[in-house]
Formats: sequence, structure tokens, C-alpha cells
Amino acid sequence: EDQVTQSPEALRLQEGESSSLNCSYTVSGLRGLFWYRQDPGKGPEFLFTLYSAGEEKEKERLKATLTKKESFLHITAPKPEDSATYLCAVPGGGYQGAQKLVFGQGTRLTINP
Amino acid sequence: GAGVSQSPSNKVTEKGKDVELRCDPISGHTALYWYRQSLGQGLEFLIYFQGNSAPDKSGLPSDRFSAERTGGSVSTLTIQRTQQEDSAVYLCASSIRTGWWTDTQYFGPGTRLTVL
Repeated sequence: EDQVTQSPEALRLQEGESSSLNCSYTVSGLRGLFWYRQDPGKGPEFLFTLYSAGEEKEKERLKATLTKKESFLHITAPKPEDSATYLCAVPGGGYQGAQKLVFGQGTRLTINP
Repeated sequence: GAGVSQSPSNKVTEKGKDVELRCDPISGHTALYWYRQSLGQGLEFLIYFQGNSAPDKSGLPSDRFSAERTGGSVSTLTIQRTQQEDSAVYLCASSIRTGWWTDTQYFGPGTRLTVL
């Protein structure tokens, strides 16, 4: 069964304190891994797509990396405005399943000033 | 350009009534998706459209749920005889499909449905 597990469920950091969020997945034939940010009361906002092990992408204070079994979202010197829930998702396995995204439960990140 | 739009943003209904939720995808996006996000739950897939056809309806939780897409654009998700467990945020997403697996999906703001 296709599965995405994110850890930790919640993370509280002080402004400027760097950390990493984890996303591990089990899916037959990875065809991309997606990171989204979701603010309360809003839809998920696309951040990154990673396609192959070893790939890295950066945007401002965020860097996403991918291995064969997991992805990390590194946040460097975060600011309070980085507070949000971060979601990880992969396309489902098989031909039929590959059109839908399977999401993890998310990591709720809080950055205290 | 304009993103995915959904209406209404909030809907409160009484148990047993029917509701219709609307999604307007990004112009030019051929694929359209519906997901549901319940309190404390992750996003769960409901249905996917390619053009006007729905190759995958596997996520619809019961036959009270249906969806259609017309003109390769706007989609409507209909829930008949609503139940309290239908209360959730219903999210729509669209993508440019270039391969047989999904490309990046862009989400709308969602419709928060409350069934009393």
C-alpha cells in the first residue's frame, strides 16, 4: 500500500533555529515527491517537486532533498512567517494510482519570535 | 495569472440536504482533482478528471458523492443527503498533464462544509 509518513507531527523552534522535517514514503516506482505549505484556512501552496535521489531544490530559507526512501525539508534560520503546516506527497503506485497524490499527515511548524 | 478558484468558501447545511461545490481550474489545465481534508486527517483523494471524463473515482466515499466536469473546465462536486461525517474542507486542484503520472497539482482555497 502506498504510504507517506511525516515526522515530527509538530515542531516548535525559536526564530533563527535551523531544523529539518522528514518525509518517508513507500510507493512502487517513485514518480516525483512534492512539498506543499498550508496556512490555516487556506489550500496547500506548492513549494517543490523532486524527481530523483540526490536532487536538491532551494527557495529562500527552505531546501528540499531526496533519497531513495525519504525526503527532508531543511529550514535555515527560520522566521515567524515560516510557521505553517508542511505537507509531503507522492503520486500513487501503478498506472491508475499515479494520477492522484498520496499525502502525509503533515508537520505543524511554529517559529517563535 | 489566476489560480484555482472554489465557491462557496463556506457552506453550512442541514443533515439530509444536497450541496454543490464548484471548482474553476487554472486556464489550460486539463487535469482536475478533488480532495477532502477532515479535522485531524490528511488530504484524501476523491476523484480525478482528464478533460471531461473521470478515469478514477476510487476515492468517492459513497454513492451520495458525484462529480462532473463540463467543457474541460469547471467542475461540480455534489453531495446528496448530507451527513455530519461529510463535514470537512473540500479542496480542488488542477495540473497540466504531460505524462501518465501526475504533474504538479495547484490547489484552490477550499470549501469548508459544515453539516449540522
